Amino acid sequence: DTEVTQTPKHLVMGMTNKKSLKCEQHMGHRAMYWYKQKAKKPPELMFVYSYEKLSINESVPSRFSPECPNSSLLNLHLHALQPEDSALYLCASSQDPAETRVQPQHFGDGTRLSIL
Amino acid sequence: GQNIDQPTEMTATEGAIVQINCTYQTSGFNGLFWYQQHAGEAPTFLSYNVLDGLEEKGRFSSFLSRSKGYSYLLLKELQMKDSASYLCAVRDRDTDKLIFGTGTRLQVFP
Repeated sequence: DTEVTQTPKHLVMGMTNKKSLKCEQHMGHRAMYWYKQKAKKPPELMFVYSYEKLSINESVPSRFSPECPNSSLLNLHLHALQPEDSALYLCASSQDPAETRVQPQHFGDGTRLSIL
Repeated sequence: GQNIDQPTEMTATEGAIVQINCTYQTSGFNGLFWYQQHAGEAPTFLSYNVLDGLEEKGRFSSFLSRSKGYSYLLLKELQMKDSASYLCAVRDRDTDKLIFGTGTRLQVFP
């Protein structure tokens, strides 16, 4: 079990559906991240939120829309996805972006997304 | 630009020692991290190095040489449960992004 909780664990959706992935952490971390991971590949960064503000968008298509309602929650809204978007979506958090001290990111178990 | 290299696959025997190497070239460096990832699960943080030298945590140790752009993860007394992918990741000083290597898939045999 990790301290970063993601729901749902599995999601199957059609290309016209709208769904959301959720991520929650109660470690007081102020940076939160979305990654996409394809099979046998490393995680690829999608978005970074720092103090609830979007600080990095890695040129992700607009069919992925992140939202950070508060410091503990991070959502990823999905709409009109393509089959190639099928992947494991990982959420991560780290302590304080303003700290110069190096801090590890802690990952959730991920949501395995399949687009039909 | 960023470039991180690791061997794709390694095999070892239960009870043995294995060293997984990672070389990197980055425009700015602010720490190197090692993660373990079992198939279908989240990456789990193992260790990090920001200064040169060896960091030891139980059966796992990680070494860093910043001048050589080189790190290794040393796993001792291998167990079957150590079969997993091991990801080397470098934190970019300018963007704070974590850049992952392609990972090394380790198989431990009895």
